[in-house]
Amino acid sequence: GDSVTQMEGPVTLSEEACLTINCTYTATGYPSLFWYVQYPGEGLQLLLKATKADDKGSNKGFEATYRKETTSFHLEKGSVQVSDSAVYFCAPQEVRDDKIIFGKGTRLHILP
Amino acid sequence: KAGVTQTPRYLIKTRGQQVTLSCSPISGHRSVSWYQQTPGQGLQFLFEYFSETQRNKGNFPGRFSGRQFSNSRSEMNVSTLELGDSALYLCASSATGDTEAFFGQGTRLTVV
Repeated sequence: GDSVTQMEGPVTLSEEACLTINCTYTATGYPSLFWYVQYPGEGLQLLLKATKADDKGSNKGFEATYRKETTSFHLEKGSVQVSDSAVYFCAPQEVRDDKIIFGKGTRLHILP
Repeated sequence: KAGVTQTPRYLIKTRGQQVTLSCSPISGHRSVSWYQQTPGQGLQFLFEYFSETQRNKGNFPGRFSGRQFSNSRSEMNVSTLELGDSALYLCASSATGDTEAFFGQGTRLTVV
């Protein structure tokens, strides 16, 4: 089946630092790709998505580009804020049966 | 529009008991998926229901079961609870299963 690998956390950065969270996946076909975020004590929220190659998803200053050639969907932000502290999940959606596969999550901690 | 509602938010059960968790999806959503989240294993897919039929199933023992009602509300049941079943159980709804998933806040189950 499909699988996803994302960088281990926790990642600790100072406010206004540049962020990259790596994500690579294996999949049959061309899955839709998502990043979800989980703030403390809450469920998951969709952060951004891309549905085809070279698409760029963006939201709240975060961006990720669907790279078919490298099967990657790295999450980036140019200047992080304390409020970005959360757990981030990379999640491809299987083409075969629409099931979403989640990575293990990367905990991000931003210091003021 | 109301979000995904999971009840109860917290549960404490003893080993050997059974438990039923409830999920009310967003109005009009027909797909409901369940996930188990633990620190060691991350988010693991349990099953998905669409229009009262189980459409996908993850790799969990038969003690984990679910159902969906005609109004799309879903329940999951865990019988003969084990300590390792302690986790946050998340429910997600989507319009058709291949669109954005919206998550509830989860039910935190503690087995003692």
